[in-house]
Formats: sequence, structure tokens, C-alpha cells
Amino acid sequence: KNEVEQSPQNLTAQEGEFITINCSYSVGISALHWLQQHPGGGIVSLFMLSSGKKKHGRLIATINIQEKHSSLHITASHPRDSAVYICAVTPNFGNEKLTFGTGTRLTIIP
Amino acid sequence: EPEVTQTPSHQVTQMGQEVILRCVPISNHLYFYWYRQILGQKVEFLVSFYNNEISEKSEIFDDQFSVERPDGSNFTLKIRSTKLEDSAMYFCASRRGHQETQYFGPGTRLLVL
Repeated sequence: KNEVEQSPQNLTAQEGEFITINCSYSVGISALHWLQQHPGGGIVSLFMLSSGKKKHGRLIATINIQEKHSSLHITASHPRDSAVYICAVTPNFGNEKLTFGTGTRLTIIP
Repeated sequence: EPEVTQTPSHQVTQMGQEVILRCVPISNHLYFYWYRQILGQKVEFLVSFYNNEISEKSEIFDDQFSVERPDGSNFTLKIRSTKLEDSAMYFCASRRGHQETQYFGPGTRLLVL
């Protein structure tokens, strides 16, 4: 069973700051996902990656397979980035179900 | 842009009643999932469905739960006799193929009284 840990659990920052959220997992995976959950509860997929780095706008996700670690970075943070960011992994076998971390609650203050 | 839809958005029911949660996955997707999130907790896998049958289910998915794809578009989760602890947000998700992104529906918030 894969254990997915995120840090920090809560993060408050000023608008414009560079944000880093970390995720580690215990067992080898086929892919790691970063998801965003807004206060209404809906979940949106941000990234799926199995190696290296991906960038979309102000968001950057990196993964180190050997260290079983991933980071999500937000540059020039904005209050609309306030949400819960969730790391999830899919195993090396089977039906690619997601195993989720507990999430990081990010609050950006204007 | 195609999206996963779920109905109802909210449901309140009495303990012991049956509920059916409905999902319409994206039309060319082949793999379907139900997840749930109890308030304040992390999202948990319930069941996956492919080729008209369950491909995997979690320990949570006991005999009170069932899934169906009755007509090639809808994907339903039935809870036969709801318990208080079934109160949660239930998410449907779908993906097209191997190693592709899962797309989530907006969720159904179920409250069992």
C-alpha cells in the first residue's frame, strides 16, 4: 500500500510569493498527479507526470523518481490560487486508481 | 470542453434508505471510478469499472455498494441501505486510456441522517 505524504498541511503567503508544496510516497509508481480542490469541493487535475518537470502557466511540477518525491511550485502567487492542492499517485500495476495525500491548504493574502 | 457531470449535487437521506448517485463520464472514456471524501479527510478510492465490469474495489466497497453502467452513458453508484458513516462527497472520474489524466465530476454531497 502506498503512503502519500504532503507538506506543509497549511500554507499562508502574501500575494506575489513563490510557493512550494512537497509530496513524498513510499512505493514505486507509474505516475504522480497534482490536483486542485476549490472550496466548493470540485477537483481539477493540474498535472500528471512520471519523470522530470512540467510547466503550465505559473505552475511547475517536478518529480524525482529515485527519491520518491515531487514538488509543486507556484510563481507570482495570486489570491485566486487559494485552494487545497492534492498529490495523488497511480501504482505500477492494475487499473490506475489514485491514492491521495491529505492535501495542502494554500491561502494567498492580497 | 467535455466534462464529467454528476447528479444530484446534494442529497439528504434517512439512514437505511437506498440512494443512487449518477454520473455521466466523458463520452469517449473507457475507465470509470468512484471516490469519496468524508468531511475533513482525504479522498479515498471506492471502485473502478472497465469493459462493463468492476476491475477493482476497495475494502470500503462492501455488499451495500454496487455500480452499473446501464445504458452506455450513465455510470451509477448505488448504496442499498445507507449508514451515517456514508455521509461524504462522492466523486466520479473517468479517463480515456492507459496513463491518461483522470477527469473528475463536481461531486455529490450525501448526508445521511
